[in-house]
Amino acid sequence: NAGVTQTPKFRVLKTGQSMTLLCAQDMNHEYMYWYRQDPGMGLRLIHYSVGEGTTAKGEVPDGYNVSRLKKQNFLLGLESAAPSQTSVYFCASSYSGSATEQYFGPGTRLTVT
Amino acid sequence: KNQVEQSPQSLIILEGKNCTLQCNYTVSPFSNLRWYKQDTGRGPVSLTIMTFSENTKSNGRYTATLDADTKQSSLHITASQLSDSASYICVVRLTGANNLFFGTGTRLTVIP
Repeated sequence: NAGVTQTPKFRVLKTGQSMTLLCAQDMNHEYMYWYRQDPGMGLRLIHYSVGEGTTAKGEVPDGYNVSRLKKQNFLLGLESAAPSQTSVYFCASSYSGSATEQYFGPGTRLTVT
Repeated sequence: KNQVEQSPQSLIILEGKNCTLQCNYTVSPFSNLRWYKQDTGRGPVSLTIMTFSENTKSNGRYTATLDADTKQSSLHITASQLSDSASYICVVRLTGANNLFFGTGTRLTVIP
């Protein structure tokens, strides 16, 4: 099992450009999450999904969109990147939403200039 | 306001020594508390998870304690190794929701 994988690992964007971050999991998990991690702050939830075809907003959803067309994939889109979106993005998945742990991917480091 | 605070922010210890990391939270109603280890440049990896009724849980040299009355948790690392150098993150789940509240972590450095 590869677990949770993320592509790309690194990316540099110019302000106004768009991009999509891909997250894939091979554990047949129902729940998937996108977080961002900034220096001096805890991970913050951007969007999450409780199953194929569903998405919901987290704590900091503005400027991001997501899609869950397939159970194993969760895409995070930035339509018009801003320097404030410079961050490390982590995808996670879990079997259910209650007590089960979340499994995290290795992260994507995004810089917006 | 639901918050998770960790202390110290950073810690340096000698290899072989023990250490204890602290987590205080105000998240309510509380469902469970998790400790994660995050190596530099990697995603967090779960160490322990405790529900309201559990007050201690071990994972090898890692032992987590929970006092739900005072809303405090600690992570004790025994006989530290160089590979323990990482950030340790306390995470609290709100009951009945998908909300997780993350602490900012304690950066532990183990030196030879």
